Amino acid sequence: DTEVTQTPKHLVMGMTNKKSLKCEQHMGHRAMYWYKQKAKKPPELMFVYSYEKLSINESVPSRFSPECPNSSLLNLHLHALQPEDSALYLCASSQDLTDLNYEQYFGPGTRLTVT
Amino acid sequence: AQSVTQLDSQVPVFEEAPVELRCNYSSSVSVYLFWYVQYPNQGLQLLLKYLSGSTLVKGINGFEAEFNKSQTSFHLRKPSVHISDTAEYFCAVIYHYGGATNKLIFGTGTLLAVQP
Repeated sequence: DTEVTQTPKHLVMGMTNKKSLKCEQHMGHRAMYWYKQKAKKPPELMFVYSYEKLSINESVPSRFSPECPNSSLLNLHLHALQPEDSALYLCASSQDLTDLNYEQYFGPGTRLTVT
Repeated sequence: AQSVTQLDSQVPVFEEAPVELRCNYSSSVSVYLFWYVQYPNQGLQLLLKYLSGSTLVKGINGFEAEFNKSQTSFHLRKPSVHISDTAEYFCAVIYHYGGATNKLIFGTGTLLAVQP
């Protein structure tokens, strides 16, 4: 099983709402990633967890709050977002953060619209 | 700064014609190279990767790429494209050096538009 799943597929939220994105993998991977992708642009790295600890935060605004409750799950909590945060949010996982022989596997993404 | 360049933002091609999508990277340090494909409204799927060994790499769906260290390039090719190959293609690089992490640097993407 080389699948990364993400829920929900689509999410519309107001600027005062609180919502969460969920990502799950059962490949035994110990590194998990959140990316943001705007239309016609490449994915931009937001956060990386390694062995359930936050390893990389690419200076993401605090209205995005990641959480890794266990080795298979990754959440992204959203609060007080702005319309410019509307994008496709991709989750990925890889065997390890520091062993570069392993590629990242991507989920299908959550399409977020902030109104 | 380390970067990846995909000069062609869009490549139109007729069905059954050959295609080459270009990718150049910026640094002479050791690299791992990847091509990912993204179909509309989907996530990214790995097409192929170069880590070491033979410079000609074969991937899924009939794609191949050649690593050229002297030209710092990793161009993607397919001898005969299908309508179903219409998608966005991203070249990505990991520059590996002491303490490096599995952090992909993506190119800006190339839209392959296959016409009947």
